[in-house]
Amino acid sequence: AQSVTQLGSHVSVSEGALVLLRCNYSSSVPPYLFWYVQYPNQGLQLLLKYTTGATLVKGINGFEAEFKKSETSFHLTKPSAHMSDAAEYFCAVSGDNNDMRFGAGTRLTVKP
Amino acid sequence: KAGVTQTPRYLIKTRGQQVTLSCSPISGHRSVSWYQQTPGQGLQFLFEYFSETQRNKGNFPGRFSGRQFSNSRSEMNVSTLELGDSALYLCASSLIPGRDEQFFGPGTRLTVL
Repeated sequence: AQSVTQLGSHVSVSEGALVLLRCNYSSSVPPYLFWYVQYPNQGLQLLLKYTTGATLVKGINGFEAEFKKSETSFHLTKPSAHMSDAAEYFCAVSGDNNDMRFGAGTRLTVKP
Repeated sequence: KAGVTQTPRYLIKTRGQQVTLSCSPISGHRSVSWYQQTPGQGLQFLFEYFSETQRNKGNFPGRFSGRQFSNSRSEMNVSTLELGDSALYLCASSLIPGRDEQFFGPGTRLTVL
């Protein structure tokens, strides 16, 4: 069965700094990969997704992620953090049997 | 198009009681998944329904059950509540099971006293 590992349960950056949230996956079939964001007291919403084709995926709010098959990774980046980016971020993979599995989440803190 | 709705938003129960949570998916979505979110365990998959059939189930005890109706609305039930069942229960719907974006509701916050 597929699985997702998010490295770092908490990440702290300064406003204006690069955001890098790490996600590694395992899947026995070509995966579909997703990043979701959760703001306090809300459900999750989609940031971006990779299905097939171009490996660099652009999402909402200036985020992007690159699918690297050789590294089984799908790291999320944003060049310049904003205070409003503070939230919890979840990586998800859909692979074997079309089952969706989520990572444990990474809480992003943005310092002024 | 209306989003995923969950009722109730907040619920307080005592140990031993049972609870039923409801989820209405986005119109046209036939796949509904349920998740339990807690600070210690993160986002845990409970089960997924597609066209009234349970398609997949997570690693939860039999006290947790669910069903889906012909209009795609789904309910989950937790019997004999335990303190550890206190959590945010999230429902998500999608067009295609597993391979499509999931749209999440705001969740039901369950507190067990």
